[in-house]
Amino acid sequence: GAGVSQTPSNKVTEKGKYVELRCDPISGHTALYWYRQSLGQGPEFLIYFQGTGAADDSGLPNDRFFAVRPEGSVSTLKIQRTERGDSAVYLCASSSTVGTEAFFGQGTRLTVV
Amino acid sequence: AQSVAQPEDQVNVAEGNPLTVKCTYSVSGNPYLFWYVQYPNRGLQFLLKYITGDNLVKGSYGFEAEFNKSQTSFHLKKPSALVSDSALYFCAVRAVQSGAGSYQLTFGKGTKLSVIP
Repeated sequence: GAGVSQTPSNKVTEKGKYVELRCDPISGHTALYWYRQSLGQGPEFLIYFQGTGAADDSGLPNDRFFAVRPEGSVSTLKIQRTERGDSAVYLCASSSTVGTEAFFGQGTRLTVV
Repeated sequence: AQSVAQPEDQVNVAEGNPLTVKCTYSVSGNPYLFWYVQYPNRGLQFLLKYITGDNLVKGSYGFEAEFNKSQTSFHLKKPSALVSDSALYFCAVRAVQSGAGSYQLTFGKGTKLSVIP
């Protein structure tokens, strides 16, 4: 596609539920990043993939969060036992090679009620 | 650890006047520096980057930024502001060298730019 696509654009879930957020990067981009942006803050790094492997997951806040990229393209961020503090905009980005500028999707706004 | 400071939460400028949005950074070794813009209900859009070479970098929509190594700054500038430039601007940094954690982009908190007609 022309840009990074994230689905859904909005997700409302109840506390304790499981959610999956999907990211479809720009075709051919090998690097994929997940960020989280809380209101009034800049994006915070969660995890970075180079190909299929998670090269750096040091930003994941706890073991309720994990992400996969099984075929080196689409990625899914998975959150178990959601908490109200998980409410934020989750941003996905991709780049053609490591170190070049990253292109961001429009994000998924997650609201945990 | 790397960090970015954007000391101004908001910058107001009259249309047609020059604008500056400030950014300072901290990183081990040499930096890659980026500016992104975020319009309401839209994703982050890349504006420009500094990798190496000339300290003055030109980007999209007439924006430019000046890398100053001694002051660890990367201020965003535009000679003549437009009302349509009103948005949220983020500065970001990452380290040049490879290694654990080095591909993370660290963002500032953002500066809201308001251009007044």
